[in-house]
Amino acid sequence: DAGITQSPRYKITETGRQVTLMCHQTWSHSYMFWYRQDLGHGLRLIYYSAAADITDKGEVPDGYVVSRSKTENFPLTLESATRSQTSVYFCASKTGSGYNEQFFGPGTRLTVL
Amino acid sequence: EDQVTQSPEALRLQEGESSSLNCSYTVSGLRGLFWYRQDPGKGPEFLFTLYSAGEEKEKERLKATLTKKESFLHITAPKPEDSATYLCAVPINQAGTALIFGKGTTLSVSS
Repeated sequence: DAGITQSPRYKITETGRQVTLMCHQTWSHSYMFWYRQDLGHGLRLIYYSAAADITDKGEVPDGYVVSRSKTENFPLTLESATRSQTSVYFCASKTGSGYNEQFFGPGTRLTVL
Repeated sequence: EDQVTQSPEALRLQEGESSSLNCSYTVSGLRGLFWYRQDPGKGPEFLFTLYSAGEEKEKERLKATLTKKESFLHITAPKPEDSATYLCAVPINQAGTALIFGKGTTLSVSS
């Protein structure tokens, strides 16, 4: 099916563990994004990528690592998870630079114990 | 400081009772404004893009309007299936890669 998929949809991990959230899109969009959504804060940008091998920080990048070796995939890694990283994570994509809309995936709910 | 504020935080309507949601913004040089709908447990779903003051877009019972300082999402004769959280967002850089989102308005429509 076309669109953005995220996996896993739910994840429980422990403090200090490494965890990777996966994002895959079938539209061949050049731009991809990772957001976190928390009560009281709304959606905040973690990292984005303009193309394969091009990534840049967003508003809240600390504690996260991204890579983009293929256009369709944009994994987000928490190298050493902390409780403050408990959140819902959304991946998004858009076709190119400029003020066009982003399309979001279904989200991953991550709990760090 | 760039900021997006949505009001009210929550809105309860009876089916058929029209109302409006507000999104006010303070950004240097508006480049566009997006409206999204988010259902519980799902990702935001794109609704509208508005680029300039005076612009209006419609989709079924929803109509979005834009002025130089705010945007309104008008809901005409809402139905229970319109219940959701509505988010607005504004790009704050030239590449359109950085969006500031409002915290949303949660709409509940009862029959």
